[in-house]
Amino acid sequence: DAGITQSPRHKVTETGTPVTLRCHQTENHRYMYWYRQDPGHGLRLIHYSYGVKDTDKGEVSDGYSVSRSKTEDFLLTLESATSSQTSVYFCAISENGPAVGYTFGSGTRLTVV
Amino acid sequence: GENVGLHLPTLSVQEGDNSIINCAYSNSASDYFIWYKQESGKGPQFIIDIRSNMDKRQGQRVTVLLNKTVKHLSLQIAATQPGDSAVYFCAVITGTASKLTFGTGTRLQVTL
Repeated sequence: DAGITQSPRHKVTETGTPVTLRCHQTENHRYMYWYRQDPGHGLRLIHYSYGVKDTDKGEVSDGYSVSRSKTEDFLLTLESATSSQTSVYFCAISENGPAVGYTFGSGTRLTVV
Repeated sequence: GENVGLHLPTLSVQEGDNSIINCAYSNSASDYFIWYKQESGKGPQFIIDIRSNMDKRQGQRVTVLLNKTVKHLSLQIAATQPGDSAVYFCAVITGTASKLTFGTGTRLQVTL
């Protein structure tokens, strides 16, 4: 997906360990989002950012934190990974917020064992 | 809040036929609607959008219909091709809400 990169693409980690996922964009978009995708639930918002150092919680934010120190990077941290956080995580960006839709990254598949 | 759902989890169509994927939403104040396509192993990709002041919008081989009376949205794909096989999501936003709410998705299977 042009302009938005997620890393790593795959990760296996142990329960109780901290994990950080990175979203990097080259579009200079103001808004960035972290979603998780699970079977039967669609895409659920974890956290989002509307500017550098400006973040807010989504509907499933418990157990996650985020940071945005630069326009281009939005980090998602699982403070102490649990098996329920096994999921596919997607980052999305938007120039002007949700009213014009999002561009999604390719996702990070995280497995917590 | 907003509840967004799709009528069928899986839709199977023959190549060349037209496909119709449906979505229902709960909030009558919803005013912006988007359809996304997600292929296996990839992130969702924007297909087409429509605002609440419209009933219909057409793109290349795709048409979105909005029925605000019954809070229903549909995506029509003309002459469905094997490359259309994917999961399709509708997403909805209401007023000044800061996020899109996504449906759970319909898997479109195209048979030869």
